[in-house]
Amino acid sequence: DQQVKQNSPSLSVQEGRISILNCDYTNSMFDYFLWYKKYPAEGPTFLISISSIKDKNEDGRFTVFLNKSAKHLSLHIVPSQPGDSAVYFCAASGRSARQLTFGSGTQLTVLP
Amino acid sequence: DAEITQSPRHKITETGRQVTLACHQTWNHNNMFWYRQDLGHGLRLIHYSYGVQDTNKGEVSDGYSVSRSNTEDLPLTLESAASSQTSVYFCASSDQSNTEAFFGQGTRLTVV
Repeated sequence: DQQVKQNSPSLSVQEGRISILNCDYTNSMFDYFLWYKKYPAEGPTFLISISSIKDKNEDGRFTVFLNKSAKHLSLHIVPSQPGDSAVYFCAASGRSARQLTFGSGTQLTVLP
Repeated sequence: DAEITQSPRHKITETGRQVTLACHQTWNHNNMFWYRQDLGHGLRLIHYSYGVQDTNKGEVSDGYSVSRSNTEDLPLTLESAASSQTSVYFCASSDQSNTEAFFGQGTRLTVV
């Protein structure tokens, strides 16, 4: 039973528009959430994170929103650029746990 | 610069053989992790370690083992390789105070 779910395997967006990637979780013990970006033949790289005490965290073009009551988080990329084309993984960890539980990933393609 | 390296990058082995994948980090991180990436499953945790002589089983640990004799290394051993273990393997590390993990570039393992 997947505790972190990314229900959209792929997403295509026009350059300059907003990309919205979604993630749902089922484990109420999760209190820290992260997004990773992965290019082919490379390891995942950390993008942005959010603690459960916040509902929004922003870093440049990237914003993560957390809705604890719905157990849902989303990553917004504005404006989207062709270099943003990659697989995006949502991840979560619980109190005192340092290991991450990942979703299955969403392939984002930004069209020029 | 500190880094995390995996070797080999690619390996082909036969069913039943013992295989060891190396992971070496120079961050001086206490926490180290092994994940496998498969289509539709994202990244799944195999084993993890919070420090020297500490090892723990993850979600998909059957058929794998790890040992932690120093801070820098966490080798992953497949005791008797099976075709189901054909995958891309990622090693990661993080320090005590941060949940964000740094990933290696991955090892693509094919079991024939």
